[in-house]
Amino acid sequence: DTGVSQDPRHKITKRGQNVTFRCDPISEHNRLYWYRQTLGQGPEFLTYFQNEAQLEKSRLLSDRFSAERPKGSFSTLEIQRTEQGDSAMYLCASSLQNTEAFFGQGTRLTVV
Amino acid sequence: SQQGEEDPQALSIQEGENATMNCSYKTSINNLQWYRQNSGRGLVHLILIRSNEREKHSGRLRVTLDTSKKSSSLLITASRAADTASYFCATVRNTGTASKLTFGTGTRLQVTL
Repeated sequence: DTGVSQDPRHKITKRGQNVTFRCDPISEHNRLYWYRQTLGQGPEFLTYFQNEAQLEKSRLLSDRFSAERPKGSFSTLEIQRTEQGDSAMYLCASSLQNTEAFFGQGTRLTVV
Repeated sequence: SQQGEEDPQALSIQEGENATMNCSYKTSINNLQWYRQNSGRGLVHLILIRSNEREKHSGRLRVTLDTSKKSSSLLITASRAADTASYFCATVRNTGTASKLTFGTGTRLQVTL
């Protein structure tokens, strides 16, 4: 399967714990996006990369969120000191520049 | 923040009818894209229309773009129950090489038998 893959698919964590999600994009895609989606809402932009460079990070994101894309391949999204409000679906997508994006199945985070 | 807003927020039609969803956006764009999402799943790309295009077709889908009104519409003809999903528009702004993909709020389509 050469699509976008995300791991894990589901994560349940206790409030205050750190979590890390991984996204493996389509190999030739230079852009990688992270979004957050809650029930009934559209995907909310978090951050995106072009190759290994992080081009933009949403102003809505607190400093508890960090993302990396070493070597311009896979990416990780870490949330430190999780809060109940962080519960959401975290979506990763990849694309070539200014073309359609391909999404993974998402990681559903539940903070209890 | 969301770049686009879809209208209506929810739409219920019977199988065989056409479904029209509209999207309005705020800034000049490089392209506009439509995506579909089944409940609890990732998004699937449907169609991309560039700022210099006015209409595109793909199977039962027809997308129009009016850059003067900053709006787009998605028409699904002869709808099927399997078309039941949420539909989102997304825009890539016209700001050079570095421009993110920003989604609207979505239209939830229900197609009944």
